Amino acid sequence: GAGVSQSPSNKVTEKGKDVELRCDPISGHTALYWYRQSLGQGLEFLIYFQGNSAPDKSGLPSDRFSAERTGGSVSTLTIQRTQQEDSAVYLCASSRAPGSFGETQYFGPGTRLLVL
Amino acid sequence: AQKITQTQPGMFVQEKEAVTLDCTYDTSDQSYGLFWYKQPSSGEMIFLIYQGSYDEQNATEGRYSLNFQKARKSANLVISASQLGDSAMYFCAMREGGSQGNLIFGKGTKLSVKP
Repeated sequence: GAGVSQSPSNKVTEKGKDVELRCDPISGHTALYWYRQSLGQGLEFLIYFQGNSAPDKSGLPSDRFSAERTGGSVSTLTIQRTQQEDSAVYLCASSRAPGSFGETQYFGPGTRLLVL
Repeated sequence: AQKITQTQPGMFVQEKEAVTLDCTYDTSDQSYGLFWYKQPSSGEMIFLIYQGSYDEQNATEGRYSLNFQKARKSANLVISASQLGDSAMYFCAMREGGSQGNLIFGKGTKLSVKP
């Protein structure tokens, strides 16, 4: 089926505004991951969902960040009161099940967030 | 300490030649997986190859192979017969068996293929 999709592809916002980023995983994939990639850097893990549950939220950089997943499918990452340091590419990935350490994660095209 | 180290910020290779991208890792887990991803300028992360910690044979996928040296904790990516389309960022990543499943990424190597 289709790959991981993310929307919007680009988002420009003003400092202090809230933004919502959406991820639609590959059909049948129960595990969903959010990562952040700052300019010229590797990927930083934010949060992981197994089904609708996020067992560990410690990767979120501050309490302005939150995420939810409904119906075991679509996930939304929300950033409240955005700051300029939140500017980055936000990548979503999904995999069939997290049980095996060999399970491949497939990435979406990312959302490029710019906070002015 | 960094868990994934890629020491080559940038690499050049002549078209049709082979190139090795270095990756070393640090983990105390016995069970782990190592992955390589390619990120072209368009930004998407493309899965290339996987090696499990218990795999005795080096992984191969077409022109990609992974030179896995467990005792040295290295997982170098070898690209044979480089093509212009191989120009991209390459990221090494690890998933530890005891983790919640997230990948730990290195900082990447930018590969440029010269015609």
